[in-house]
Amino acid sequence: EAQVTQNPRYLITVTGKKLTVTCSQNMNHEYMSWYRQDPGLGLRQIYYSMNVEVTDKGDVPEGYKVSRKEKRNFPLILESPSPNQTSLYFCASSFTGGNQPQHFGDGTRLSIL
Amino acid sequence: SQKIEQNSEALNIQEGKTATLTCNYTNYSPAYLQWYRQDPGRGPVFLLLIRENEKEKRKERLKVTFDTTLKQSLFHITASQPADSATYLCALDYGNNRLAFGKGNQVVVIP
Repeated sequence: EAQVTQNPRYLITVTGKKLTVTCSQNMNHEYMSWYRQDPGLGLRQIYYSMNVEVTDKGDVPEGYKVSRKEKRNFPLILESPSPNQTSLYFCASSFTGGNQPQHFGDGTRLSIL
Repeated sequence: SQKIEQNSEALNIQEGKTATLTCNYTNYSPAYLQWYRQDPGRGPVFLLLIRENEKEKRKERLKVTFDTTLKQSLFHITASQPADSATYLCALDYGNNRLAFGKGNQVVVIP
């Protein structure tokens, strides 16, 4: 089954404790991206990647890092999480770009205390 | 500044009627516009994509229009059903393969 898989689905942690949210897709997509969704603000793009070893900032990249060492994986790294990063996070992928249908994961709900 | 506007008020509609949602944008010149459906606690699901040189696109009971002069897209659900109740998001590309989303418009179909 074609899918985008995120882990964990839920995480409660404390300020400053590094965490990684994994994202994997099995569709051989070149384009992957991360979004956060907050009430009243909608979906905002954090980072995106056009292909392996190519990443670019989205609209809200501060406090986040990403890497794209393999085509299928695109982890989101919070080196020193803060409470304002409490949010619902989505990973998405598409064949070649943002102008194509995006396949989303089921989301990761992060709470930073 | 760039802005994508969708109605923040939920649209309550009787089953069987046509639901129409609006997506307005400013300071963008997208070549593509997309519509997604999102259910509570789930990721958005792609529905339709329309290109700037297309006026209208249909898929089953769904229809999308794209007016680049008005900077507006309309999304129609004909013969609406309770299962159509969800939040619908419009999204547009704005260069460098970046994608911006509206905040979404909730639809509630009343049996």
